[in-house]
Amino acid sequence: EIVLTQSPDFQSVTPKEKVTITCRASQSIGNSLHWYQQKPDQSPKLLIKYASQSFSGVPSRFSGSGSGTDFTLTINSLETEDAATYYCHQSGSLPETFGQGTKVEIK
Amino acid sequence: EVQLVESGGGLVQPGGSLRLSCVASGFTVSSNYMSWVRQAPGKGLEWVSLIYSGGSTYYADSVKGRFTISRDSSKNTLYLQMNSLRTEDTAVYYCGGTSSLDYWGQGTLVTVSS
Repeated sequence: EIVLTQSPDFQSVTPKEKVTITCRASQSIGNSLHWYQQKPDQSPKLLIKYASQSFSGVPSRFSGSGSGTDFTLTINSLETEDAATYYCHQSGSLPETFGQGTKVEIK
Repeated sequence: EVQLVESGGGLVQPGGSLRLSCVASGFTVSSNYMSWVRQAPGKGLEWVSLIYSGGSTYYADSVKGRFTISRDSSKNTLYLQMNSLRTEDTAVYYCGGTSSLDYWGQGTLVTVSS
C-alpha cells in the first residue's frame, strides 16, 4: 500500500499569504495524484487532478506540481474562504489512498 | 450539471447489513470509474472500493469479503452492499465519479452501534 504523507498537518495563515502543502508518496505514482478541499460539513471538492491539471471552476490561485513521489499544492494569495482541510489522493496503485489532511486556518 | 445523490445510510447493529445507493444525473455510471470513500467522525478520508467501467471491482482490505460494489445501468445507480458491519465502519460514505474523483455526492451517514 502506498502511504501519502502530507505536511504540515496544520497551518495558520494571514489573508493574501502564499500557502504550500506537500504530499510525499512512499513509492512512485507518476502523476496520479489529486488534491481536494473540504470545508466543515461539506463533501470534498476536487481542486487539482493528475498533479497539475486545474479542475473546471477552481480559482486560478490554486495550482499543483510534482511527479513521482513529491507533490505540492500552492495557494497564491490566500482568501478567507480558503479556510478548509486539504487532502491528497493517489489513484496510481491499488489500494488507492489519501493523505492525512492539512488544516488551513485563517489568522 | 453532474449530480450524485447517496441514500441508504442509518443506524444498524453490529453484524447487520445495509445497502447504500448513489443515483447519478448528468453522468453515466456504467461508463465511468466509480468509487466509494468514507470518513469516520472527525477523521480523514478513507478509500473503500471502486468499480471500473469494464466491471472489475476492488476493495480496501478493511472491507474485503464484507462489502460488495455494484451498479445498475438501467437506473444509472451505484451500490455498496455492506454486510457483517462493525462499529469501526461508522462513517459518512461518499460516492465519487472518475479516477480523480471529479464528482462527489453529499454523503450518507452509517452508524454501527448496539
